[in-house]
Amino acid sequence: AQSVTQPDIHITVSEGASLELRCNYSYGATPYLFWYVQSPGQGLQLLLKYFSGDTLVQGIKGFEAEFKRSQSSFNLRKPSVHWSDAAEYFCAVGGNGDKLIFGTGTRLQVFP
Amino acid sequence: GAGVSQTPSNKVTEKGKYVELRCDPISGHTALYWYRQSLGQGPEFLIYFQGTGAADDSGLPNDRFFAVRPEGSVSTLKIQRTERGDSAVYLCASSLSGWGETQYFGPGTRLLVL
Repeated sequence: AQSVTQPDIHITVSEGASLELRCNYSYGATPYLFWYVQSPGQGLQLLLKYFSGDTLVQGIKGFEAEFKRSQSSFNLRKPSVHWSDAAEYFCAVGGNGDKLIFGTGTRLQVFP
Repeated sequence: GAGVSQTPSNKVTEKGKYVELRCDPISGHTALYWYRQSLGQGPEFLIYFQGTGAADDSGLPNDRFFAVRPEGSVSTLKIQRTERGDSAVYLCASSLSGWGETQYFGPGTRLLVL
């Protein structure tokens, strides 16, 4: 069955620290992978996506993610977190002609 | 340009009532999606429109839920005989042509069924 697992429900980091949010997926075909961010009262905003090619993907706001097929993972990283990055982050998997499956999200809290 | 808009932003109704939620996609986007997001969960797919037709409605939970997109632009999600379990945020998204394209999400409609 297709699924996405985000094992960390809540993560707290200090401003300026590095960040890694984990995402593991199960998908029967070549996956399309996405990271979205949701701030309170805001719609989901796409951070980055992977369809094919280079497995290290650069996104907006200084985020990047690496697709590792052997580990079925697509972890999101940022070298230095800003207070404004506090939000909920969702990983999603889909495919060509297939619906998106979202994970349950990771809530990021940033301390000054 | 304008993003995806959804109205109303909040809707409170009583159990058993009928509600309609509206979505205005980005102009020119032929694909439109509805999702439901319950508290503490990620968005859950409901239905996908390609133009005027529902290309995939496998996510609709039961026959109380129905959606239309008569002119291939604005879409309305309709819920009959609402139940308390229908309380959630209903999200709409649009993309240029279909699955595999970037989906742009609206702010959602928060539905509360009393």
